[in-house]
Amino acid sequence: GESVGLHLPTLSVQEGDNSIINCAYSNSASDYFIWYKQESGKGPQFIIDIRSNMDKRQGQRVTVLLNKTVKHLSLQIAATQPGDSAVYFCADLPPGNFGNEKLTFGTGTRLTIIP
Amino acid sequence: SQTIHQWPATLVQPVGSPLSLECTVEGTSNPNLYWYRQAAGRGLQLLFYSVGIGQISSEVPQNLSASRPQDRQFILSSKKLLLSDSGFYLCAWSGGGSETQYFGPGTRLLVL
Repeated sequence: GESVGLHLPTLSVQEGDNSIINCAYSNSASDYFIWYKQESGKGPQFIIDIRSNMDKRQGQRVTVLLNKTVKHLSLQIAATQPGDSAVYFCADLPPGNFGNEKLTFGTGTRLTIIP
Repeated sequence: SQTIHQWPATLVQPVGSPLSLECTVEGTSNPNLYWYRQAAGRGLQLLFYSVGIGQISSEVPQNLSASRPQDRQFILSSKKLLLSDSGFYLCAWSGGGSETQYFGPGTRLLVL
């Protein structure tokens, strides 16, 4: 992810609608990508990951899409619920020696679910 | 299952005072350990990481230091806190053949 020190972008979605959160990464050699969810005052929570040999991966109500051509990652949340309100971070990992997994985090997007 | 603990949860310290934050991991052995700082409304900044006991790598020059006295214990310290040290400090671990980092609950530090 690109951590450029900007204030968090925000996204507001009506409860029950689908949401799409986008992330751009800069290292074309990155081969592993993660999405985290961070609720206020808590540590980031792992949501879903994807490797560079895949374009799409689905979890429960979440789908991650990877477009390596334009170095873009997105997180789709289906049928949003109030509990989905949080800050969402993407992170990428360039290939390297095992045991040195230094992730690069994006700035984050604040998702607000409107009841 | 693995769990990660951090304490204290909240800390208010005067400028110039020392600091010691602790992180412990349960349910795994020889984890990689990480310290991050998060300013309000910002992303995560990696401060230190460790691949084994006594092995510490620093990512940014700063007023802080880290130590790993035991396999599953990671400590963040400072001899004299600065106002700019305020923030949300997160410990994370990875290992077991996976690159995924799992975060602790964090410590909110306010330096006055």
